[in-house]
Amino acid sequence: GENVEQHPSTLSVQEGDSAVIKCTYSDSASNYFPWYKQELGKRPQLIIDIRSNVGEKKDQRIAVTLNKTAKHFSLHITETQPEDSAVYFCAGSGNTPLVFGKGTRLSVIA
Amino acid sequence: GAGVSQSPRYKVAKRGQDVALRCDPISGHVSLFWYQQALGQGPEFLTYFQNEAQLDKSGLPSDRFFAERPEGSVSTLKIQRTQQEDSAVYLCASSHGRGNQPQHFGDGTRLSIL
Repeated sequence: GENVEQHPSTLSVQEGDSAVIKCTYSDSASNYFPWYKQELGKRPQLIIDIRSNVGEKKDQRIAVTLNKTAKHFSLHITETQPEDSAVYFCAGSGNTPLVFGKGTRLSVIA
Repeated sequence: GAGVSQSPRYKVAKRGQDVALRCDPISGHVSLFWYQQALGQGPEFLTYFQNEAQLDKSGLPSDRFFAERPEGSVSTLKIQRTQQEDSAVYLCASSHGRGNQPQHFGDGTRLSIL
């Protein structure tokens, strides 16, 4: 089955800097890769997703890139703000249910 | 409401008791998913419904876990003879169509087994 690995587990950046979170997946049949943001005690919120027919997708300060050959995808947050502090999860699915990474705790220091 | 609604938000039960967790998906959403989220981990898939049909229950940890969605809308996750290892947040998500569509989560039910 699918296995999704996520790195780093924790990330601290200064306000205004960029943050990058990387994930790898194992199942070459996977074709859908969402990213979720989860604040403490809150629901996971979908922030961006990408399908395997696209290499990059951008939404304001957030972008996701996908390398199908290498089976990895990354989340890029530019001009980070304190409210970006949260746990971020990547996930992947194809013919199987969504499999999530273990999460990255992002801290943006003002 | 506009989002996925789950109840109760918190549930405390003694080991051996049965519990029932409810999920109200976004109106009109065909697909409904249940996940288990342990502390400090990502959500783990439990089961998936398309309308009233349970198409995948491969993630249910044991036969003590049972889920239903009899009318294709509200879903209930039942855990019988609860054990301490069942303590976790149980998340429900729904999506508009079939296949790989964006899933929208509820706030979850935090279950604590004493």
